[in-house]
Amino acid sequence: AQSVTQPDIHITVSEGASLELRCNYSYGATPYLFWYVQSPGQGLQLLLKYFSGDTLVQGIKGFEAEFKRSQSSFNLRKPSVHWSDAAEYFCAVGPSGNTGKLIFGQGTTLQVKP
Amino acid sequence: DGGITQSPKYLFRKEGQNVTLSCEQNLNHDAMYWYRQDPGQGLRLIYYSQIVNDFQKGDIAEGYSVSREKKESFPLTVTSAQKNPTAFYLCASGTGGNTGELFFGEGSRLTVL
Repeated sequence: AQSVTQPDIHITVSEGASLELRCNYSYGATPYLFWYVQSPGQGLQLLLKYFSGDTLVQGIKGFEAEFKRSQSSFNLRKPSVHWSDAAEYFCAVGPSGNTGKLIFGQGTTLQVKP
Repeated sequence: DGGITQSPKYLFRKEGQNVTLSCEQNLNHDAMYWYRQDPGQGLRLIYYSQIVNDFQKGDIAEGYSVSREKKESFPLTVTSAQKNPTAFYLCASGTGGNTGELFFGEGSRLTVL
């Protein structure tokens, strides 16, 4: 079955420190992978996506993610975190069949200490 | 601007009442989706539609109903049969098929009193 696991429910980092959010997936074929960010009470905004090609993808707001097929992982990174990065982050895999559906992880809440 | 509009943003209802959440998109997307979000559970798919006049159940469709009479609109009704309807509801749209990327609305928070 297709699934996404985000092992860390909550992460706290200091402003200016580096960040890595983990994502592991289970998918039968070559996956399309996504990271979304959600501010409190808001919808989801796409940070970046991987479809094929270069396994290191760049996104908005200084984020990047690396696809590692051998580890079934798609971890999100940022070299220096800003207070405005505090939010909830969702990893997603898809599409499921030919439906366009995405399967989401449980989310990781990022808290940034001043 | 192109996007997805959900309304209302906040909604309160009494137990036993049905309520309908609106979702409209002007992105010319064929596919639309409703997800439910609860703390610590991520997003769970309620219903989706890949084309007008057709829709399929997602993982947690019980107690919900939808319609897709127009390409732009995909309203969700939370019926009195939904045992725990208090949640944050997110509507999304996409080109469907095997491209995968979804675009989300701002969400609607339903509270049952």
